[in-house]
Amino acid sequence: DGGITQSPKYLFRKEGQNVTLSCEQNLNHDAMYWYRQDPGQGLRLIYYSQIVNDFQKGDIAEGYSVSREKKESFPLTVTSAQKNPTAFYLCASSIIGQGVPEAFFGQGTRLTVV
Amino acid sequence: SQELEQSPQSLIVQEGKNLTINCTSSKTLYGLYWYKQKYGEGLIFLMMLQKGGEEKSHEKITAKLDEKKQQSSLHITASQPSHAGIYLCGADPDQAGTALIFGKGTTLSVSS
Repeated sequence: DGGITQSPKYLFRKEGQNVTLSCEQNLNHDAMYWYRQDPGQGLRLIYYSQIVNDFQKGDIAEGYSVSREKKESFPLTVTSAQKNPTAFYLCASSIIGQGVPEAFFGQGTRLTVV
Repeated sequence: SQELEQSPQSLIVQEGKNLTINCTSSKTLYGLYWYKQKYGEGLIFLMMLQKGGEEKSHEKITAKLDEKKQQSSLHITASQPSHAGIYLCGADPDQAGTALIFGKGTTLSVSS
């Protein structure tokens, strides 16, 4: 079945450590996105990529980094520079070049800094 | 930059009652999406509206986009416990198909 997979579902990190969240899709979508969700804040865009080896910052990119070496994969690294990393992280993908895209979402990763 | 405001922020309804959630944009909408989310899970696509005056229905959920394309409503008829969750509206802010922006969500609880 086609879909978008995030792993792990739960992640714990000590302060000062970097951590990488995985996002893989087999939908053959060109575009991939990372969002952060905090209670009462809705979804805020961290990074997005429309093509391999290219990505753009979203509204809250500081303290995060991404790579897009393969079309299927768009990992997100939460660095120690991110002041409040505890949040729910959602990855999404979509087709581009067909007008307004419908985004398909993964099940999310809940990151907790301890 | 475009912003989406949802109201109400939260809603508790008795099973069987109807309800409406609103999404208002600060700029003209060129594509309005409704998603549903169960707590701690990903978003499930419900409907997408593009044309002014457009209305779409799926089972007991109806979404409308006003003629001026700045406001959308999501109406649930005869609510059920399965309708409980967070409803988010999303929009494409620059028509470039880059990334969706979202409202802050409306949390719906249905009491039986």
